[in-house]
Amino acid sequence: QKEVEQNSGPLSVPEGAIASLNCTYSDRGSQSFFWYRQYSGKSPELIMFIYSNGDKEDGRFTAQLNKASQYVSLLIRDSQPSDSATYLCAVKSWGKLQFGAGTQVVVTP
Amino acid sequence: ETGVTQTPRHLVMGMTNKKSLKCEQHLGHNAMYWYKQSAKKPLELMFVYNFKEQTENNSVPSRFSPECPNSSHLFLHLHTLQPEDSALYLCASSTTSDRTDTQYFGPGTRLTVL
Repeated sequence: QKEVEQNSGPLSVPEGAIASLNCTYSDRGSQSFFWYRQYSGKSPELIMFIYSNGDKEDGRFTAQLNKASQYVSLLIRDSQPSDSATYLCAVKSWGKLQFGAGTQVVVTP
Repeated sequence: ETGVTQTPRHLVMGMTNKKSLKCEQHLGHNAMYWYKQSAKKPLELMFVYNFKEQTENNSVPSRFSPECPNSSHLFLHLHTLQPEDSALYLCASSTTSDRTDTQYFGPGTRLTVL
């Protein structure tokens, strides 16, 4: 079983719509959760992190964490073509950061 | 220079060559990391250094040899690589391993082994 799982996509989203990305993890003791965005040929860049159950909003991005169900999600509101990228979920357990394979998002005009 | 820098950005080498990748962070961090990213696969953590000391080696073959002379610089020495080692090699840095240990990545070195 993969430790951090994401749907590889591509997830096609019309411009202006909400993109919803999901990530599940296997270690119930995981403590910190991160979302990174990676454009093709570029390095990952941090979008946001979340530690507590519930929602955390930052601009057009909302991270949602449910530790009981062991999932973390990312919502992108008012999706723009510039949001087209691969989104990596990363989960920190006992000091070790593990990444999912990423979900490719394609925002269509 | 700001953030995390890596040189070279692209590298092509033969299997008998010896080369080195360099990473430098300007963020005042104390932890540095090497990752390997192959197509369609998750980022693979290779090495972790905290305060210049190696704290993690994820069963990386000995043809990859890291060096961390200080908290700002990290090297990855390469020798007798295989074609399957072709990948994007990413360096990252962070503050020490507390809960807010956000890692910031450099631009990566795209390595091709012929």
